[in-house]
Amino acid sequence: EADIYQTPRYLVIGTGKKITLECSQTMGHDKMYWYQQDPGMELHLIHYSYGVNSTEKGDLSSESTVSRIRTEHFPLTLESARPSHTSQYLCASSEYSGRGNTGELFFGEGSRLTVL
Amino acid sequence: AQSVAQPEDQVNVAEGNPLTVKCTYSVSGNPYLFWYVQYPNRGLQFLLKYITGDNLVKGSYGFEAEFNKSQTSFHLKKPSALVSDSALYFCAVRDAVTGGGNKLTFGTGTQLKVEL
Repeated sequence: EADIYQTPRYLVIGTGKKITLECSQTMGHDKMYWYQQDPGMELHLIHYSYGVNSTEKGDLSSESTVSRIRTEHFPLTLESARPSHTSQYLCASSEYSGRGNTGELFFGEGSRLTVL
Repeated sequence: AQSVAQPEDQVNVAEGNPLTVKCTYSVSGNPYLFWYVQYPNRGLQFLLKYITGDNLVKGSYGFEAEFNKSQTSFHLKKPSALVSDSALYFCAVRDAVTGGGNKLTFGTGTQLKVEL
């Protein structure tokens, strides 16, 4: 069982609010990722990090921002939520590939955001 | 560049019958291949992976996948489907040589529906 946790699992908020989705992992993984997924649809990588103080934009442009101050923590923030941000957000982590591992991802349970 | 194709949006199968979910890939080097499953309102769960060696890989919940290098395929199979197997299945690939930045590339997903 993977040890990666996301909170909140479900969030309903009004337009213009600031929200932060939390993601924490206890596996000591260097790499962490945020994916956006609309219901029953494909995954889009929106942010990733290779370690502390490292963050990169993913394949899909997103108005959200991320930070990586501690290895285990990779929160995602939306400064002003809009209905177009309604989606499921999945956090994942993996070991650094330089150690010869396969880069298998471990996923959290997801945070389903609804912006009214 | 690396890519994955899942040609079927949905696969329907009767309980007790064998199931196949198709996946083809493209990488410049050797592939690391993965299958993940997602149940409603949950994160992705790892099923199995191919790294090297035996072309037939066995994974969780009785699933297996066959790596075919000449056809660049990695189809997911199960000899006898269960209703509880109904879920969204994702194939993913990473180039073993370049690493793809340790980023997995996911397919668009295949919805498996197993009926009584």
